[in-house]
Amino acid sequence: DAGVIQSPRHEVTEMGQEVTLRCKPISGHDYLFWYRQTMMRGLELLIYFNNNVPIDDSGMPEDRFSAKMPNASFSTLKIQPSEPRDSAVYFCASSLGPRSASGREQYFGPGTRLTVT
Amino acid sequence: DAKTTQPPSMDCAEGRAANLPCNHSTISGNEYVYWYRQIHSQGPQYIIHGLKNNETNEMASLIITEDRKSSTLILPHATLRDTAVYYCIVRVANNAGNMLTFGGGTRLMVKP
Repeated sequence: DAGVIQSPRHEVTEMGQEVTLRCKPISGHDYLFWYRQTMMRGLELLIYFNNNVPIDDSGMPEDRFSAKMPNASFSTLKIQPSEPRDSAVYFCASSLGPRSASGREQYFGPGTRLTVT
Repeated sequence: DAKTTQPPSMDCAEGRAANLPCNHSTISGNEYVYWYRQIHSQGPQYIIHGLKNNETNEMASLIITEDRKSSTLILPHATLRDTAVYYCIVRVANNAGNMLTFGGGTRLMVKP
């Protein structure tokens, strides 16, 4: 199993440009999560999907951020326009739906390090 | 979800047991304790979880106090590769999703 795949691994862009981050979850997983990690705020959940449908996007910082999941094997996180404060590591994670009351563990991708200058 | 408190950092000698504490005094009866770790420049990795019984797997053991207000993650024979930030997370499991809320974690440094 290849695990969660994210691309690109590193992205450097100028302020105002559009940025698209990509994620391929583990095959068969029906939950997909997008997180952002910064030194100041740690790991934050941005949005998550269940069966390709966005369930909770309350963590999305503002309208410049949008996420889609057109099918079970692909998701994107888009920032338009990007700003320097968006610089962070963005993680995608996937999991199976809860088999019991305890739920399931999440599997994280390697992350995309975004730098906005 | 209940809030957790962890020491910001700990050291451990290689080959010795690493005991990482976590306080979750406001935990509810239907909340589980999860542990993840994050090795430098990698995504978080699931370690173990439990409700009230002690749990053990190939990576670690989880000891939960009888009142469930605290827990300890035990790495029985720490190696240099176990150097990472360890996150203790308390969450309610439900059918709407299995969201995780990460706190500051404990930075474990395993030294030769």
